[in-house]
Amino acid sequence: AQKVTQAQTEISVVEKEDVTLDCVYETRDTTYYLFWYKQPPSGELVFLIRRNSFDEQNEISGRYSWNFQKSTSSFNFTITASQVVDSAVYFCALSATRPTGNQFYFGTGTSLTVIP
Amino acid sequence: DAGVIQSPRHEVTEMGQEVTLRCKPISGHNSLFWYRQTMMRGLELLIYFNNNVPIDDSGMPEDRFSAKMPNASFSTLKIQPSEPRDSAVYFCASSFIAGDLETQYFGPGTRLLVL
Repeated sequence: AQKVTQAQTEISVVEKEDVTLDCVYETRDTTYYLFWYKQPPSGELVFLIRRNSFDEQNEISGRYSWNFQKSTSSFNFTITASQVVDSAVYFCALSATRPTGNQFYFGTGTSLTVIP
Repeated sequence: DAGVIQSPRHEVTEMGQEVTLRCKPISGHNSLFWYRQTMMRGLELLIYFNNNVPIDDSGMPEDRFSAKMPNASFSTLKIQPSEPRDSAVYFCASSFIAGDLETQYFGPGTRLLVL
């Protein structure tokens, strides 16, 4: 079965705190992709990252970093020194390879509120 | 570039009517995605195209939905006939995929209400 679990439904942190959003996935495929998306209160969607299953290197982009661990089937997202503008719903997703192409599986999202 | 353009931004229609959503991707991008978001089902990928060819439409809910990409600069998502449960925000995104490099850019979405 293919599945993405974001167990944290809502998180609140005070500005400048670090926060980690968890993402646990299930797949039997050896080739797959993992994604993170951001949806601010305005409703637009913002693509954050795509990572393939063969690349377990951590990724850092400014205050954002991602930790991919195949051993625990996790692809966690950390925001360092959080800011109010980071308040949003964050979605993790899995794209698994099928003979007909890839199929996407989204988590239910984690709503992050950064309190000033 | 103006980014991904979707039209209309809002659509209200009655059950049974045909609905056509339009998307203009960013010039030079080779992939296009249609997503749907509802409170009940969350985010779903409906279909995506690579070089104008549909790669996987297994996310398309049923035969009432169809998507086309006649050229690199235009795609449509059609619902015929529409039903109240199709009410959702439909997002289009485009990207340029080269190996493991990809960044998707989203349009503002079309908010569809089927009465």
